[in-house]
Amino acid sequence: QSVLTQPPSVSGTPGQRVTISCSGSSSNIGSNIVNWYQHLVGAAPKLLIYSDDQGPSGVPDRFSGSKSGTSASLAISGLQSEDEADYYCAAWDDSLNSVVFGGGTKLTVL
Amino acid sequence: EVQMVESGGRLIHPGGSLRVSCAASGFSIENYAVNWVRQAPGKGLDWVSGISGTTGKTNYAVSVKGRFTILRDNSKNTLHLQMNSLSEEDTAVYYCAKGLYAGERDGFDVWGQGTLVTVSS
Repeated sequence: QSVLTQPPSVSGTPGQRVTISCSGSSSNIGSNIVNWYQHLVGAAPKLLIYSDDQGPSGVPDRFSGSKSGTSASLAISGLQSEDEADYYCAAWDDSLNSVVFGGGTKLTVL
Repeated sequence: EVQMVESGGRLIHPGGSLRVSCAASGFSIENYAVNWVRQAPGKGLDWVSGISGTTGKTNYAVSVKGRFTILRDNSKNTLHLQMNSLSEEDTAVYYCAKGLYAGERDGFDVWGQGTLVTVSS
C-alpha cells in the first residue's frame, strides 16, 4: 500500500486529454513539492514535472502539473501513442523523513 | 554530459551482503542530492535512500533502515549502497538518481539505467 494514492490505470485516444490524480496527506503533498515521473518499459525513469508545476527543458508542454491541498494532478493533452507508459507522483514525507512514491498509473493509448 | 552508471548487481543468497555502485560524470555528487530508488518485478518505484549535497545528511526508507547504508566517495565521484541482511523482498532493479539541487526534497532529474539485484536461494 503506497503512501500516495494513484489510479492503477487510465486510458485515452490520440489527441485526447487525460489526467492522473495523486492523493496524499498533510505530511507529504500538503507541505512539500510534488514531482512526476514517466517510466517507459526498459528505460530509466524520466522527470516530467518538478516543484508541483514546472516542466524541465525538453519535456513537451503537453504535460502539466497542478496541486491543491493534499492532492496533485498530472494532465497530458494531445495524447500520443508514445505517451504510453507508467506515471508516478512523488513527494517528501515529513513524518517518515523519506521520499514517498505513488503506486503508479499505467497510461494506455487506445 | 551528465550521466550515472550503476554496477554490482548480481544473484545473492538470502542473508547475504552486497554493495552496488553508481559512477557519476558531468557533475560533482557532493554538490547535489543523490538517491537510490528500486523497482521490484511487477511493482512500482520505491525510494530506498538518499544523501543530501553539501551537508551529507542521509535518509533511509523504513524497510531498509538498519540494513542498508548509503555511502558517497567524493574523490571518485561515486555513490555506493551497502546492503546487508538481504531478503527476497529486496530483489529489484536498483537505480541511482541525481537530485535537481542539494536538498532532499527536490525532484530527480538524471537516472542511471539500473542494476539488477536478485536475492534467492
